Amino acid sequence: NAGVTQTPKFRVLKTGQSMTLLCAQDMNHEYMYWYRQDPGMGLRLIHYSVGEGTTAKGEVPDGYNVSRLKKQNFLLGLESAAPSQTSVYFCASNPTSQAPQHFGDGTRLSIL
Amino acid sequence: GQNIDQPTEMTATEGAIVQINCTYQTSGFNGLFWYQQHAGEAPTFLSYNVLDGLEEKGRFSSFLSRSKGYSYLLLKELQMKDSASYLCAVMDSNYQLIWGAGTKLIIKP
Repeated sequence: NAGVTQTPKFRVLKTGQSMTLLCAQDMNHEYMYWYRQDPGMGLRLIHYSVGEGTTAKGEVPDGYNVSRLKKQNFLLGLESAAPSQTSVYFCASNPTSQAPQHFGDGTRLSIL
Repeated sequence: GQNIDQPTEMTATEGAIVQINCTYQTSGFNGLFWYQQHAGEAPTFLSYNVLDGLEEKGRFSSFLSRSKGYSYLLLKELQMKDSASYLCAVMDSNYQLIWGAGTKLIIKP
């Protein structure tokens, strides 16, 4: 009963480096989301997907790219990391757009 | 613009009752969610309101008034494990969640 699994859990990058965050869900959910959570702010939507092969921009998409090649996986990429991208990243999924979202445990990313 | 307001921090005593308020202004409304988030952990779903009124689920209840753009989460018989942040989120006309910054609830013995 894994639910939503995020890897890695922690990562430190240097400015300009690239990396990919992986989100995997085993609940056969159609919808998947990537958020970032910063102190004193609500969760902000980066990108989302309404099904395999689809992606769409959220509130703060700049500097990030995503892919949903398989229904169970949603990848978030940082092409050239910047200190402003230091944050906690959460992946979430739900079976329909109105259902409660299930969250992964988060990835804590620091960019120096 | 879209806005969700909730108090930054609240303190309550073990065994007592606490009410956490949330006011919102969004483009459209397709429901309001409350989530609990313990420090360093993922948010977990608590309740969902789409119609006016009170929804009760054990020690937790959530109330919604759509005409006032207002909701509250009521926690009864507080336990130490209820120390957490409580996040209010509104689903807008595009079925996307707009999140408040969260209310950190501190429970004292």
